[in-house]
Amino acid sequence: DGGITQSPKYLFRKEGQNVTLSCEQNLNHDAMYWYRQDPGQGLRLIYYSQIVNDFQKGDIAEGYSVSREKKESFPLTVTSAQKNPTAFYLCASSPLFRRAGNTIYFGEGSWLTVV
Amino acid sequence: EDQVTQSPEALRLQEGESSSLNCSYTVSGLRGLFWYRQDPGKGPEFLFTLYSAGEEKEKERLKATLTKKESFLHITAPKPEDSATYLCAVQAGYGGATNKLIFGTGTLLAVQP
Repeated sequence: DGGITQSPKYLFRKEGQNVTLSCEQNLNHDAMYWYRQDPGQGLRLIYYSQIVNDFQKGDIAEGYSVSREKKESFPLTVTSAQKNPTAFYLCASSPLFRRAGNTIYFGEGSWLTVV
Repeated sequence: EDQVTQSPEALRLQEGESSSLNCSYTVSGLRGLFWYRQDPGKGPEFLFTLYSAGEEKEKERLKATLTKKESFLHITAPKPEDSATYLCAVQAGYGGATNKLIFGTGTLLAVQP
């Protein structure tokens, strides 16, 4: 089935530890995104990429890093510099930019908890 | 500053009781307005895209409409399985090749049997 696969579904991070969330899509989409969702807040953009080997910071990039070595993969690393990492993380993808707007599709999400 | 506001924050309906959710926005150049449904612990599921004022789209018991300042998601004769959080988001801005979405905080809908 075509879609966006995120793993793991649940992840626990110790203080001072880096962790990586995986995101793979088989929709042949050029653009991929990472959003963070906290209770009572709208989804906030962490990083996005519109082409392989290129990515841009979103609104809350501090403490996160990404790579885009393959079109179908966009992993997110939550570093020890991220002071409040406990959240629900959503990966998304879309076709390349069009002036009329493009629908963004989401994966099932990953829960990250600091222990 | 681009902004999206959804109301109400929460809505409780009886099965069959129709109602509407509101999404108001202030953006510099609307390129598209999107509605998503999100179930607890799941990723948002795409429902509709609206591109210009006056546009309407329907899917089963849901109908989305768009004006120059707001969008409504009308729910006709809802069923318990329509219970979810409904998210509104906009893509905005002329120039600059980005599909960035600005989200509202959502409306939590509960439909009781």
